[in-house]
This record gives sequence, structure tokens and C-alpha cells, in this order.
Amino acid sequence: DVQLVESGGGLVEPGGSLRLSCAASGFSFTHAWMAWVRQAPGRGLEWVGRIRSIFDGETADSAAAVHGRFTISRDDSKDTLYLQMNSLKTDDTAVYYCATIHSAKYTDFDHWGQGTLVTVSP
Amino acid sequence: DIQMTQYPSSLSASVGDRVIITCRASQSIGTSLNWYQQNSGKAPKSLIYAASSLESGVPSRFSGSGSGTDFTLTISNLQPEDFATFYCQQGDSLPFTFGQGTKLEMK
Repeated sequence: DVQLVESGGGLVEPGGSLRLSCAASGFSFTHAWMAWVRQAPGRGLEWVGRIRSIFDGETADSAAAVHGRFTISRDDSKDTLYLQMNSLKTDDTAVYYCATIHSAKYTDFDHWGQGTLVTVSP
Repeated sequence: DIQMTQYPSSLSASVGDRVIITCRASQSIGTSLNWYQQNSGKAPKSLIYAASSLESGVPSRFSGSGSGTDFTLTISNLQPEDFATFYCQQGDSLPFTFGQGTKLEMK
């Protein structure tokens, strides 16, 4: 079974940094395109970014709201996805989910982790 | 960015009912439309991709249709576990965007 387990969330002050991890198992992580999606308290879902597999260039794209502050990366030797978050703002407070992308053609998020809460507050 | 709008924002129904949720894109997205269910306090779960393809393990009472800008999610014979919030998402172009959600409540 596909398993995605996020970690690294917590309380951080505005302007601070945090790195989230997503440990993957039960599928070929090396071939998978991966994504981060967040959900602010009581709000809807917001795409944060995605990273292609190494076979497709391992390049990443991110939402305008986080571009230049957040970096998505992966370590295929550890089957782990990362989200490095810098210059955090109170608006970044959310549950952060990692998800698998079905394929390059079908861009749905077909498996999700349980999420990790990031709280940005003075 | 492509705006996704869902109708209605909330909906009341009973076990056994059939409900339809609509999602409209601000521009044509072909069939790059996906549906998710999120039960309270849980992670979202993928239901339908490419407008009408059922994810593995999803009950057949869920179905999707549409293309271009207008899409629907139909849930037949509602079960107690179906009362949740549903989101559509376009996967046609970046940034991927979600609808605001439709909360399905028990009448």
C-alpha cells in the first residue's frame, strides 16, 4: 500500500524557516511526480508546488504565493520529499500535505499523506 | 490562473439520496478535472480523475462527467460515510487550482 508520512511541522515565528519531510513507501518513488498541497485552518485546498521525477528532469514548479521562499526537493535514495520554507508569513499557517501525482498525463493527486501542521505566529 | 467555482457551496441530503455537485472552470480545461472527498479532520481522498475515471477502490456510486468548462460529480444512493466536503481541481495548467469546496451535510 502507498504510504506518505509528513513530518517537520510546528510553531515558527514570522520570518523563520522550517523544513518539511515526506517519507514515501509502497510504490516506486523514483518514478513518481510529487506535490505539496496546503490547507489553512477552516479553508480550502491550495496547491503549493510539484517536482518531476529524475527521469523527467527533477524540476520543480511552485505557486506564486510561495515562489522564491519555498523550495521543493527530493532524495530518491531515501524515498523522501522535502519542502524547505523560508521567510515564513502568518498566511503560511496551514496543514501541509504531500501527495503523489497520478502521472505526467493525469495530474490528479491520487495518494495523500496525513498532513503536518505549520503555525506561523509571533 | 484558472478559477474553479463549485455549486452549491453547501447541500443537505439524506442517506439513499442522489446528489449532484457542479464545478465550472473560468476557461476550457478539456477533461483535466479531478474530484476529491475530504471527511472532517482527514486528508483529502481522490475520487475521480480526467473528469470521469474512477480511482481504484472508489465505489461505483460516484461518477463524474463533463468537458470544457462544466463538470459534475454525482453521488447515487448516499451512504453515511459520504457526508463530507468535496473539491474539484483542474490539472490542465499551472498553477493547479481547486474549487472552494461543497459541504455535503446530513438532512
